[in-house]
Amino acid sequence: EAGVAQSPRYKIIEKRQSVAFWCNPISGHATLYWYQQILGQGPKLLIQFQNNGVVDDSQLPKDRFSAERLKGVDSTLKIQPAKLEDSAVYLCASSLDGGAPVPPLHFGNGTRLTVT
Amino acid sequence: AQKITQTQPGMFVQEKEAVTLDCTYDTSDPSYGLFWYKQPSSGEMIFLIYQGSYDQQNATEGRYSLNFQKARKSANLVISASQLGDSAMYFCAMRPTHSGGYQKVTFGTGTKLQVIP
Repeated sequence: EAGVAQSPRYKIIEKRQSVAFWCNPISGHATLYWYQQILGQGPKLLIQFQNNGVVDDSQLPKDRFSAERLKGVDSTLKIQPAKLEDSAVYLCASSLDGGAPVPPLHFGNGTRLTVT
Repeated sequence: AQKITQTQPGMFVQEKEAVTLDCTYDTSDPSYGLFWYKQPSSGEMIFLIYQGSYDQQNATEGRYSLNFQKARKSANLVISASQLGDSAMYFCAMRPTHSGGYQKVTFGTGTKLQVIP
């Protein structure tokens, strides 16, 4: 099966500019996650979708970050305007719904964002 | 609330030796799954191994095994016969077990493993 697809792979922007990341999950995976990973740290959940509904966006800086998953398949994460501290790798992951055994998250290759 | 603690920021191991990476967790969920992921310098997160909280036996996947001690709330990853390609960041993660609703996934801060030739 095809894995989680993310684009772009790298992005360099200046502060105050806007940027968008795209993610296409594994076919049939209802749950989609966006994580922010700052260098040397663990992934931090930004937003979690189940189908096209948001189940957790408690750590999403909503004044500058937005995300959508309109048809319950692919998703877009946007930052506007970007700040220097947004420099990080943005990871998209998808999974089947819960139950036992608990399904693992499958990750894309990530987008490395550098804000100058 | 869920919490994952990885107390070893960095570890060294000699090639061909075994190494244990520590993970302790805290949760109020009665049923959950524990995962280990490997993140090489290239950045992708690779799923390694899974342990269910009600599984009677410790999970094994090739050279990876999980030393699960439920009473102590620990889920340590054991890598046997280390290889140079095992050098990477390793993350422990947890997800509750229930269908539907919200299954929050919590990650630890990671352990950087370096295998020495």
